[in-house]
Amino acid sequence: RKEVEQDPGPFNVPEGATVAFNCTYSNSASQSFFWYRQDCRKEPKLLMSVYSSGNEDGRFTAQLNRASQYISLLIRDSKLSDSATYLCVVRLLGSGGSNYKLTFGKGTLLTVNP
Amino acid sequence: EPEVTQTPSHQVTQMGQEVILRCVPISNHLYFYWYRQILGQKVEFLVSFYNNEISEKSEIFDDQFSVERPDGSNFTLKIRSTKLEDSAMYFCASSEFRSYEQYFGPGTRLTVT
Repeated sequence: RKEVEQDPGPFNVPEGATVAFNCTYSNSASQSFFWYRQDCRKEPKLLMSVYSSGNEDGRFTAQLNRASQYISLLIRDSKLSDSATYLCVVRLLGSGGSNYKLTFGKGTLLTVNP
Repeated sequence: EPEVTQTPSHQVTQMGQEVILRCVPISNHLYFYWYRQILGQKVEFLVSFYNNEISEKSEIFDDQFSVERPDGSNFTLKIRSTKLEDSAMYFCASSEFRSYEQYFGPGTRLTVT
C-alpha cells in the first residue's frame, strides 16, 4: 500500500464550483498533515496544515480523521487561480524516532475553467 | 517575506561529472532538507540536516550524495558522479523547528546528459 494516496484526478471544474480532494495514509504513527499546492514546474507551496479538529482558511477547509487515516481538502467558490496540483503531505515517524521528513502523495491536478 | 533561494535554476551536466547545488535557507530556520522530483513523479525526501550533521536520509541518498553547510548561510547538495537517473528537480527546504512547516525553494532543474 502506498504511504500517501490521493485521488488520481484530474479535476476540471467551472469557476465558483466546490471541489473536494481526498487522501489516505498508511502509517498510523503519522504525526503531522499538510496540504501543499504545486504549480507546473514550480516548488510545492504550503497551503495549510491540517489539525485534528479540522480547520478553515477562507475558502479552504481541511479535515483529518485519524481513525480512518483520511485527510480531505475542500475548496469553495473556486477561482481560476486555484488551478494547480494539490499535494497531500504527511510527516511520518522516521527511523530511530526522528520525524523530519515529509512524505508526499502524487498530487491531484485541478483545472478551474472560466 | 523571507524565502528559500536556490542556485542555479538549471544545471546541465554530463554523466560522471560532479555537481553542487546551492541553497540559502530562511535565516532563522534551524532545519534544512533536500527533496527531489523526477518529472511526472512525486516529491521524494533525500536528507535532513540539523546542527551541522545529517539527521535522517532516505535510501536514495547513497554515497554519491553529500550535504554541507559551508558557512552561516549556504546549504549545499553535492552529487559526486552524476547518472542519467539523477535528472530531476531538486528542492531545498527549511523549517524553524523540526515539527514546524517546511518552506521550499524554487528548485534547481538538473539535467544529466
